[in-house]
Amino acid sequence: DQQVKQNSPSLSVQEGRISILNCDYTNSMFDYFLWYKKYPAEGPTFLISISSIKDKNEDGRFTVFLNKSAKHLSLHIVPSQPGDSAVYFCAASPDSSYKLIFGSGTRLLVRP
Amino acid sequence: EAGVTQFPSHSVIEKGQTVTLRCDPISGHDNLYWYRRVMGKEIKFLLHFVKESKQDESGMPNNRFLAERTGGTYSTLKVQPAELEDSGVYFCASSQDWTGSSYEQYFGPGTRLTVT
Repeated sequence: DQQVKQNSPSLSVQEGRISILNCDYTNSMFDYFLWYKKYPAEGPTFLISISSIKDKNEDGRFTVFLNKSAKHLSLHIVPSQPGDSAVYFCAASPDSSYKLIFGSGTRLLVRP
Repeated sequence: EAGVTQFPSHSVIEKGQTVTLRCDPISGHDNLYWYRRVMGKEIKFLLHFVKESKQDESGMPNNRFLAERTGGTYSTLKVQPAELEDSGVYFCASSQDWTGSSYEQYFGPGTRLTVT
């Protein structure tokens, strides 16, 4: 049973608009959440993270929101750029462990 | 600063053969991880080294997989004998010790393994 779920396999947005990628999790023991971006034939690249004690973290165009009661997090990209087109993975780290548990990814396409 | 490197980038072997994948982490990173992505699905954790010691190998699928990290530097992942279901992309990642941002792992480009 997947503990981290990304229910939207793909998302298409217009350049300049907001991209919202969603992620749900089931394990309340997760205490750290990360987003990774992956281009074809490359490894995942760390994008942004958030601790479970926070509900928002912002870095430039990227903002991650965490709703612990709903076990939901989202990544907002604004404004979206064509270079943001990639697969985005949500990941979570269980308490006292460094391993990452990944979702299945959402493919984002930003149309010029 | 060099990133995480992996060798080879691709490997095609026949069922029953042996393959050894290599990972060189970022210099100074104590933590080294192996992950695998099969058939475009989620990336799954295999194991975690702290220096030369196995901290967590709960994700290793079976005893056909053997990981080592000699001297706490590079790591190898051997599959012997390989089966068809072992095909996938094997990623290595590394991170600093707990006084740094240990949760943020830096990934290599992966080794694509195809077992025929």
